[in-house]
Amino acid sequence: AQTVTQSQPEMSVQEAETVTLSCTYDTSESDYYLFWYKQPPSRQMILVIRQEAYKQQNATENRFSVNFQKAAKSFSLKISDSQLGDAAMYFCAYRGSNTGNQFYFGTGTSLTVIP
Amino acid sequence: ETGVTQSPTHLIKTRGQQVTLRCSSQSGHNTVSWYQQALGQGPQFIFQYYREEENGRGNFPPRFSGLQFPNYSSELNVNALELDDSALYLCASSYPTQGIGGGGYTFGSGTRLTVV
Repeated sequence: AQTVTQSQPEMSVQEAETVTLSCTYDTSESDYYLFWYKQPPSRQMILVIRQEAYKQQNATENRFSVNFQKAAKSFSLKISDSQLGDAAMYFCAYRGSNTGNQFYFGTGTSLTVIP
Repeated sequence: ETGVTQSPTHLIKTRGQQVTLRCSSQSGHNTVSWYQQALGQGPQFIFQYYREEENGRGNFPPRFSGLQFPNYSSELNVNALELDDSALYLCASSYPTQGIGGGGYTFGSGTRLTVV
């Protein structure tokens, strides 16, 4: 079974600084996708960034980038130049090509941005 | 219309009762999934519907059931409510081709169900 583990229940960062959120996963599939979702108090899950497992290049979206280590099954999110609006719960998620009709989510990391 | 709308936003029910939660998807989004998010946890997959047929189910008992309608709306029904059913229920919809890679899913803001 696929599992996603986020070992940091809470993180904090000073405004304008950089923070890294950790995620590891376990799967026997060779083709899959990894995601970071943001859930602000509005509760809607918002896609932050996506990584296809077959791509060696790490995905980047503006201030957000990932460090994808396929052999280690690690997928961390780096937020640069943190802003107050980045404060939210962040969930790492997995979606496999063979089990493609569902996301597997981690337990989340609550990010606080300190002014 | 864009986005995914869920109703109601909050709901309180008594143990043993039945509840229906509703989701209105974007036009053209004929794939819809439902997730249960318990407090302090990540969302857990309940089931997915494609073109009005269930095409995947997570580890949830049969008292969790769903319907999808041609107008891109869907329902989650839960019978014989238990205290542990208290959670945020999220629906997410997509075009099926976008959903393969997962990035095309749009989530709603959820229904907060409290069972007392």
